[in-house]
Amino acid sequence: QVQLVESGGGAVQPGGSLRLSCAASGFTFSNYGIHWVRQAPGKGLEWVTFMRYDGTNKYYADSAKGRFTISRDSSKNTVYLQMDSLRAEDTALYYCAKDSAVGDFGDHVIDSWGQGTLVTVSS
Amino acid sequence: QLVLTQSPSVSASLGASVKLTCTLSSGHSSYTIAWHQRQPDKGPRFLMKLNNDGSHTKGEGIPDRFTGSSSGAERYLTISSIQSEDEADYFCQTWRTGRSWVFGGGTKLTVL
Repeated sequence: QVQLVESGGGAVQPGGSLRLSCAASGFTFSNYGIHWVRQAPGKGLEWVTFMRYDGTNKYYADSAKGRFTISRDSSKNTVYLQMDSLRAEDTALYYCAKDSAVGDFGDHVIDSWGQGTLVTVSS
Repeated sequence: QLVLTQSPSVSASLGASVKLTCTLSSGHSSYTIAWHQRQPDKGPRFLMKLNNDGSHTKGEGIPDRFTGSSSGAERYLTISSIQSEDEADYFCQTWRTGRSWVFGGGTKLTVL
């Protein structure tokens, strides 16, 4: 079955950087796009970024533009989220999630989730 | 602007039914959405994809107690025969092609 395992979270000071990883298995990685979604303490889910199945297009929430970068390594079935210039408001549980569209076809709903990795930005 | 609106909280008794609502903003009433559940201390779980005609496709292993329906700009998630493990946050989600993905604020279901 589909498995998404996040890692790389931790505590970092404001202005610092962190790289999250999402190891995927149980599906044909090259056919599906991957999202990062976060949930700050006491808040709802917030979409952060999405990368198309073929890596050609990347989309970012305004809160992530210019600071976060999504990438993927198909040889490792892994997606990364490089987070720079971190702020206190970036403190959250970060989830990677699989998009349901196969290639360019289908609806872009999220149909699988990881368990999340916690990022804490504090001095 | 594409916005999904959900009531913050709802409560229901064990064994009863409850209907959660997700409302699409003006001009977006035809959009397909997804429903997700987040139980305490667990990662979210995909429940179903729900189309504007009410047809829906559930995720693997989602019980028959969970059904979806639609009316205009509203998308519903009905949970029947509520069990204690249904106490969770429920989020709706949609997308704008080539732009962004959107979540509703979530509804916290309390089982009495």
